[in-house]
Amino acid sequence: GQNIDQPTEMTATEGAIVQINCTYQTSGFNGLFWYQQHAGEAPTFLSYNVLDGLEEKGRFSSFLSRSKGYSYLLLKELQMKDSASYLCAAMDSNYQLIWGAGTKLIIKP
Amino acid sequence: IAGITQAPTSQILAAGRRMTLRCTQDMRHNAMYWYRQDLGLGLRLIHYSNTAGTTGKGEVPDGYSVSRANTDDFPLTLASAVPSQTSVYFCASSDGPANEQFFGPGTRLTVL
Repeated sequence: GQNIDQPTEMTATEGAIVQINCTYQTSGFNGLFWYQQHAGEAPTFLSYNVLDGLEEKGRFSSFLSRSKGYSYLLLKELQMKDSASYLCAAMDSNYQLIWGAGTKLIIKP
Repeated sequence: IAGITQAPTSQILAAGRRMTLRCTQDMRHNAMYWYRQDLGLGLRLIHYSNTAGTTGKGEVPDGYSVSRANTDDFPLTLASAVPSQTSVYFCASSDGPANEQFFGPGTRLTVL
């Protein structure tokens, strides 16, 4: 079957670095997406990886290892506004996204 | 209109009633999607459309139907609502199946 696993909740301190891990199992693979979702709002796109390696975009970076079925999202210089849920989603061979349940990130001052 | 809109924002519905959730985008995206989001679960795809005139079933299509008469609109219909359809419904669009998806603000539906 198809499955995405990510931690339910994480806590970090303002100004620190946090890494949110995601493992996936899909029928075929056409890339890995990360989205941010603030409470009561719609998901918004953060990153897309289809090749192995690290993609950096400002304070956010995303890593992919296709052989391990593993990705992580790295958030640096955490700000209070980064408190949100982070959704990992893998695209299968039919170009459909399989979504994880999301990781709720709590930032403490 | 800028981006993707959904209506209504929220709705309380009696079981057995018919309901259509509306979704409109002005980005001329070919692909559109309907998801439901329930606490503790990931987004689940209900139906999708890769281009106007075509639709397909997602992971949880039972009890829902869609149509795609033109590029901009992608309504989702619940023919006879049941309490298990209580959820937050998100419509999304993308420039193509492998591209990032843009989400509407969501419709919070409660079926009693």
